[in-house]
Amino acid sequence: NAGVTQTPKFQVLKTGQSMTLQCAQDMNHEYMSWYRQDPGMGLRLIHYSVGAGITDQGEVPNGYNVSRSTTEDFPLRLLSAAPSQTSVYFCASSAGDLGAHYGYTFGSGTRLTVV
Amino acid sequence: SQKIEQNSEALNIQEGKTATLTCNYTNYSPAYLQWYRQDPGRGPVFLLLIRENEKEKRKERLKVTFDTTLKQSLFHITASQPADSATYLCALVSTSGTYKYIFGTGTRLKVLA
Repeated sequence: NAGVTQTPKFQVLKTGQSMTLQCAQDMNHEYMSWYRQDPGMGLRLIHYSVGAGITDQGEVPNGYNVSRSTTEDFPLRLLSAAPSQTSVYFCASSAGDLGAHYGYTFGSGTRLTVV
Repeated sequence: SQKIEQNSEALNIQEGKTATLTCNYTNYSPAYLQWYRQDPGRGPVFLLLIRENEKEKRKERLKVTFDTTLKQSLFHITASQPADSATYLCALVSTSGTYKYIFGTGTRLKVLA
């Protein structure tokens, strides 16, 4: 049971480039979320999904897009990378209620640097 | 504004002692409070959840308390071991509207052998 798998683990982008961070889970979880983690700040929600075909914005959605075509996959797209998007990105999934009742299962993260 | 505070300074304790970590919050009415463990270079791992109507929750060597009057949660690790060294995050979950999470920045715990 792999849990939540994120790729790549590390990425360096130039300002203005676009890329997609991949996230896949094999637990049949309905709820999936993307967070970013910055020094001195708590995890902040970027986008989330309550099921295939349904997505919504979180606290810091600007500059990011998501889609959820299957239960398993929830990719995060950076449209035009900016240095302010340098961060560690975590994908998380939950069996129900956005993790409220059961907690999140997090991936191991993608460390992104934008130069 | 809503705020959640964890001690940003690292906590060093001797092996075998009880570690106590604090999570304080203001301007928030959480229905749940969760604790996670995060190791360097890894994602957070869910440990425990406590509901607003629960005072205390235990799981093996872990104990969490939740005081909605003081707006505080305490996280205890008894008989601590060097393997318990990690950063511990608390997260508040509100059920008003769409579930809304606020994560703390975490407290780094180091257990000395």
